[in-house]
Amino acid sequence: DTAVSQTPKYLVTQMGNDKSIKCEQNLGHDTMYWYKQDSKKFLKIMFSYNNKELIINETVPNRFSPKSPDKAHLNLHINSLELGDSAVYFCASSQVGGPDRSSYNEQFFGPGTRLTVL
Amino acid sequence: LAKTTQPISMDSYEGQEVNITCSHNNIATNDYITWYQQFPSQGPRFIIQGYKTKVTNEVASLFIPADRKSSTLSLPRVSLSDTAVYYCLVGDILSDSWGKLQFGAGTQVVVTP
Repeated sequence: DTAVSQTPKYLVTQMGNDKSIKCEQNLGHDTMYWYKQDSKKFLKIMFSYNNKELIINETVPNRFSPKSPDKAHLNLHINSLELGDSAVYFCASSQVGGPDRSSYNEQFFGPGTRLTVL
Repeated sequence: LAKTTQPISMDSYEGQEVNITCSHNNIATNDYITWYQQFPSQGPRFIIQGYKTKVTNEVASLFIPADRKSSTLSLPRVSLSDTAVYYCLVGDILSDSWGKLQFGAGTQVVVTP
């Protein structure tokens, strides 16, 4: 009954490799997000998709490419991994524009994927 | 988007009340104030949201003065399990720009016995 799930939970890889992180939500939400959290706990948005359409693309290297096959999935593909890509990546989802439980546009986060680039 | 400022860290003992103040001087008319909590090795989770005055739920209270230029998250009688990072976000929750909100570094609350 997990709301937002990510795989894998841990990812250790060498510089220069290409890797993907998968995200799925079963909440029926229209909007999904990818966040990056660095070692100082700074949580920064990378991308946002609404109904499979890209609506937010912050200043992220084009080595990062999100893919949304349907509104329940938002995968993150990273090419040519660099040391600075090491971080925890969180996927999230929300329903924009309407009450969700006790709040408007509450974001539900996945458990995170800890990426380590060696 | 409103910029927020909150303390980097706060320490408390079990059973005490913890109050975290977030400054948001350029808050806009349509902006709401939302707080998230993040435990170690987990994703953030929503705890409370408000527009003005006071909001209370089973987890926390949120106090917002009339000018709305700041807000205070109050955690009553904290326990060790309240040790977490707390993020304050301010923005128009019904706007597409809501997703552009940056969580920042948050406030690390450490509760000790």
